[in-house]
Amino acid sequence: GNSVTQMEGPVTLSEEAFLTINCTYTATGYPSLFWYVQYPGEGLQLLLKATKADDKGSNKGFEATYRKETTSFHLEKGSVQVSDSAVYFCALSLFTGGFKTIFGAGTRLFVKA
Amino acid sequence: KAGVTQTPRYLIKTRGQQVTLSCSPISGHRSVSWYQQTPGQGLQFLFEYFSETQRNKGNFPGRFSGRQFSNSRSEMNVSTLELGDSALYLCASSPGSGAQETQYFGPGTRLLVL
Repeated sequence: GNSVTQMEGPVTLSEEAFLTINCTYTATGYPSLFWYVQYPGEGLQLLLKATKADDKGSNKGFEATYRKETTSFHLEKGSVQVSDSAVYFCALSLFTGGFKTIFGAGTRLFVKA
Repeated sequence: KAGVTQTPRYLIKTRGQQVTLSCSPISGHRSVSWYQQTPGQGLQFLFEYFSETQRNKGNFPGRFSGRQFSNSRSEMNVSTLELGDSALYLCASSPGSGAQETQYFGPGTRLLVL
């Protein structure tokens, strides 16, 4: 079946530290891959996406590369800020007659000043 | 453009009751998807509607149903509420033509079942 596995949190980092959140997926067909972010009390917002193998998505200093050979889409940021504290969700979307998005469990990130 | 709106934002019900949640998509978007978010199960796909037709559904019991109107607004209904239905219900809209599209999420309706 289709699934997304991402590293469990919480992840606690100091400001300006390097961030990696691992994400791997299993899918039939050719999914699009997404990272969404959820700030406290809010809905999900798109952070970045990649729609085919070797695509790199980037936004606000975050980036992730669609790796078909390792079925991965790891999220990275070179220098985190306190304002990056949130829950990050890796997701895949498939279109087989209709939309279906499968989310990972989410990784909570705390950034300390 | 206005974002996705959901009403009500908060709801308290008792076991056995039924509830209807509403979602208004971004203007021009024809696809609306619904998700249930709980601490234990995370984000789970409920169903997707496009042009008033359910195109896809997740693994939820028949107590969970939905519909979409000609203006793309969507409602979901949960009948015979159970304690385990307490969750944040999110809807998301997109144009509806492919998996590469970004889904835009509303703020959610938080349902508490007592």
